[in-house]
Amino acid sequence: GAGVSQSPSNKVTEKGKDVELRCDPISGHTALYWYRQSLGQGLEFLIYFQGNSAPDKSGLPSDRFSAERTGGSVSTLTIQRTQQEDSAVYLCASSFTIPRDTEAFFGQGTRLTVV
Amino acid sequence: TQLLEQSPQFLSIQEGENLTVYCNSSSVFSSLQWYRQEPGEGPVLLVTVVTGGEVKKLKRLTFQFGDARKDSSLHITAAQTGDTGLYLCAGARSGGSNYKLTFGKGTLLTVNP
Repeated sequence: GAGVSQSPSNKVTEKGKDVELRCDPISGHTALYWYRQSLGQGLEFLIYFQGNSAPDKSGLPSDRFSAERTGGSVSTLTIQRTQQEDSAVYLCASSFTIPRDTEAFFGQGTRLTVV
Repeated sequence: TQLLEQSPQFLSIQEGENLTVYCNSSSVFSSLQWYRQEPGEGPVLLVTVVTGGEVKKLKRLTFQFGDARKDSSLHITAAQTGDTGLYLCAGARSGGSNYKLTFGKGTLLTVNP
């Protein structure tokens, strides 16, 4: 596709269940970012992937959160044993990482509601 | 510690007013970008500035990159209700051969009719 694709667009889950959120970045983009955004708030950094380098996981809020990026393309963010405070919009973005060409393209996000 | 600090966090003004939002850091960036996010959408790039002291204008929006490439500002003249949204700045820094973007938390602007 032409842009960053995220699925599902909406997810309602029961407290304690595990969820997987998927991100398909733009082909050729080596960098991939996950952010979390609560209602009316700014972006909270979660994790950053760059090529084959070890990911920057410094933003993951707890060990219930994990992410992987297979084959340098598709990424999955997994939240285990979901809690109500995990409810938010999860945004994925991808970009090149060469100098002066680092524009991030965002997906529409996955709205997660934990009930 | 937030690498990029944006201020104010929230701003509510009347249509026709002018405003400035700020993006500050103690770190030097090779380039800095501004994004706008409308409700229900992902952020979209407005502009990229790469040279210290650079000023770019996009209709009623004026973007400035600080001389030391550590800070930036966005000025909106005669704000309109369509300017409502979340404004994000992002700085690119070198990590070896690759450049990583770091986003500020954003300024949520509401322009009232």
